[in-house]
Amino acid sequence: AQTVTQSQPEMSVQEAETVTLSCTYDTSESDYYLFWYKQPPSRQMILVIRQEAYKQQNATENRFSVNFQKAAKSFSLKISDSQLGDAAMYFCAYRTFTGNQFYFGTGTSLTVIP
Amino acid sequence: EAQVTQNPRYLITVTGKKLTVTCSQNMNHEYMSWYRQDPGLGLRQIYYSMNVEVTDKGDVPEGYKVSRKEKRNFPLILESPSPNQTSLYFCASSYLGQSTGELFFGEGSRLTVL
Repeated sequence: AQTVTQSQPEMSVQEAETVTLSCTYDTSESDYYLFWYKQPPSRQMILVIRQEAYKQQNATENRFSVNFQKAAKSFSLKISDSQLGDAAMYFCAYRTFTGNQFYFGTGTSLTVIP
Repeated sequence: EAQVTQNPRYLITVTGKKLTVTCSQNMNHEYMSWYRQDPGLGLRQIYYSMNVEVTDKGDVPEGYKVSRKEKRNFPLILESPSPNQTSLYFCASSYLGQSTGELFFGEGSRLTVL
């Protein structure tokens, strides 16, 4: 089974600064999907950004971008111009190419300091 | 509005008393799945379904049952709940095939087994 590792249980960032959350994964597949989800205190799971493994270009969504290193099996999330509303738990997730199974990391709790 | 609806949102029950958590989606998604979220463990997949009458085990299926008689519904059944099933449960759905396969989550169900 694939594993997803988030080695930073907690991170903090000053408002308006940039922070990078780390994620590594283990797989023998060549094609797959990667995601970052945000879980605010409301518990709702919100998609932040997605990346298809066959695409070399790193995904970007407004202030959120990823650094996808396929050979290194690394998928980090960069949040620029951090805002108070970015404070949440962030989960990295892997989806198999066949689409049947998802694997989540243990999460990184992000605090934004005013 | 496209959504995944799960009920109940909160439930306190006692050991051995059968319960069902319902899940319904209105997006005509083929794929549906259940997860449990525990502190320090992230989200773990319990069961998933690729289509009607097609279900399979995820990583932590013990003590749970599911059924997929209709495309929109995917209930989670705890036949004889035990305290170690106290957790936050999420139902999620997605398209299969050419899409990027992001999961759409319900709002979560907090279950306490005494």
